[in-house]
This record gives sequence, C-alpha cells and structure tokens, in this order.
Amino acid sequence: DAGVIQSPRHEVTEMGQEVTLRCKPISGHDYLFWYRQTMMRGLELLIYFNNNVPIDDSGMPEDRFSAKMPNASFSTLKIQPSEPRDSAVYFCASSLPGSTDTQYFGPGTRLTVL
Amino acid sequence: KQEVTQIPAALSVPEGENLVLNCSFTDSAIYNLQWFRQDPGKGLTSLLLIQSSQREQTSGRLNASLDKSSGRSTLYIAASQPGDSATYLCAVAPLEGGGNKLTFGTGTQLKVEL
Repeated sequence: DAGVIQSPRHEVTEMGQEVTLRCKPISGHDYLFWYRQTMMRGLELLIYFNNNVPIDDSGMPEDRFSAKMPNASFSTLKIQPSEPRDSAVYFCASSLPGSTDTQYFGPGTRLTVL
Repeated sequence: KQEVTQIPAALSVPEGENLVLNCSFTDSAIYNLQWFRQDPGKGLTSLLLIQSSQREQTSGRLNASLDKSSGRSTLYIAASQPGDSATYLCAVAPLEGGGNKLTFGTGTQLKVEL
C-alpha cells in the first residue's frame, strides 16, 4: 500500500483565498484524522471521521475551517478565507478498523498564507 | 485539559551513547501512550505504544516505560546511531473516546553525531 497520500505537499496562497487540502487514507482504514502542526502550538487534532461521518470537530479553530469525507477514500480540509495565522503543516492520518491504537500519518501539506 | 511536556527540547549526543527522553502528562486517566518519530518534511511514524495497564514496551534498541500514577513515560534508546536523529514525540489518548483524541507533547529534537 502507498500509505496515506496528501496533496498538495506545499501550498502558498494569499490572505483571503480559499485553500483546499486533500487526503487519501490507507485502503480499508475507517478512521481518518486531520491535524495541524505549528511551532507555537505543536501538533493538534482538528477533526476525525469514522466511516465517513465526522465524530469530533471540537479542535477545528473556527468557522473558516471545514472538513468533508464524501467517501471512504477521500477527505478534504478547506479554509475559507485563509489568514496568515493559518500557516502550518497539516497532517492527515488513518487507522485500522475497530482499533485506533495506531494511526498512520501522511507526509503533510505545508501551507503558507501571505 | 491534558497537558503533555517533553524534556529536553533538544539533545545532541555522540554515536553509541545510551539516552533517555522524558515525557510527562497531567491527567493520569489515559487509554494509552505512544512514542512517535518525525523526520524533517515527513509525517509521524509510531514507534511504541503502551496500553494503560502496561508498564513497558520494547522494540529493538527502543524501550518505553510508563508510570501512569506519576504521569511519566521515558523512551530509552540504546547504542544511538546517526540514523536515530529525528524529533521524538509522545502522545497520550484519554480513557474517554479510546485511542482517538491524541494529545501530543512538543517533542525532543535528537541529533546523534558521528
């Protein structure tokens, strides 16, 4: 398996623009997680899904952030409008059915908002 | 709210040295504790997972211990190698929600020199 796939790997955009980050989990994994990593706050869980249904979005910073999982093999994290403080590395992770003990992380998307 | 602290923030050692990384957490009501490795520009890789009922786990040159009552875990690396250079993160999962909502420490950046 190719592992968790994220695209793009790098994104540079201007303040106010819409940004969409994409994730393809490992086939057969039914949990999907979105994290954000910054120097100031470290690695934080934003939202996670089980069987394509959002379970906990309490980590989503504000209404400008939204996440969807239209099917078992694809998820998006959207920021609209983007702000400079959204600059971070965004990771997607997935885990095995019935067990979330081990999460497999993607390589991340480095987002820079100018 | 769970807080996870890692000491030291950075560590530089000569090759071959045995070393210990420390992790402390404020809420002892945990489901499990994991140690991850993060290489620059890459995602996280799970190294060891300790269930709340366990005291330690070993994998090769790595040994992780858990003292839940005191809120501490250590990662012991034996005979360090330059390839061990990376950032090491510990993460705890709360009892409520199982292994889903990981709270990460800020990491220890390790450099093993020739």
